[in-house]
Amino acid sequence: ETGVTQTPRHLVMGMTNKKSLKCEQHLGHNAMYWYKQSAKKPLELMFVYSLEERVENNSVPSRFSPECPNSSHLFLHLHTLQPEDSALYLCASSRETRGLSSYEQYFGPGTRLTVT
Amino acid sequence: EDQVTQSPEALRLQEGESSSLNCSYTVSGLRGLFWYRQDPGKGPEFLFTLYSAGEEKEKERLKATLTKKESFLHITAPKPEDSATYLCAVQASNSGYALNFGKGTSLLVTP
Repeated sequence: ETGVTQTPRHLVMGMTNKKSLKCEQHLGHNAMYWYKQSAKKPLELMFVYSLEERVENNSVPSRFSPECPNSSHLFLHLHTLQPEDSALYLCASSRETRGLSSYEQYFGPGTRLTVT
Repeated sequence: EDQVTQSPEALRLQEGESSSLNCSYTVSGLRGLFWYRQDPGKGPEFLFTLYSAGEEKEKERLKATLTKKESFLHITAPKPEDSATYLCAVQASNSGYALNFGKGTSLLVTP
């Protein structure tokens, strides 16, 4: 048990739907991350929140919208997705580093998203 | 540009047959190198962090080592339950929060 939970575990949505992914961490961390994992590709960092402030946004299309209401919860709001957005979406958390120190990130089980 | 290359892409071992996985990296300055294990349909599970050349860490049948250009994950006398994809990630001095992941090595250990 990694202490990071994600819901739902599986999601099928049409291109015109709006849905949200939820992540919760029980590790007392202050930094949270969204990653995308596609087949045969390395994990791609999407967003980073540190102390509830977005600190990194790696050229992610606006159809993905993150929200971090507190240091334990992270959401990814989805709308008007494309079939190429189908992937495993992973949430992670770590100790807050202000981008200076290096601490391991702990991952949740992921949400398998299929866009039809 | 920072790069992480893992080899081999896939490895099949007999139970008890020791081997090593490689992670070669190119970064402007290494802040940390991480090894993760990922089972199908699950998120990556943290294994080790290495910070400087010469450092070694062990956990059960796994041992991770680090040089200035690469890291090895040595698997001694593997068991079928060691079958998984092993991911390497590096954090560069100028990369902020980002971890740069390799594509992973898929390990299959047969009885």
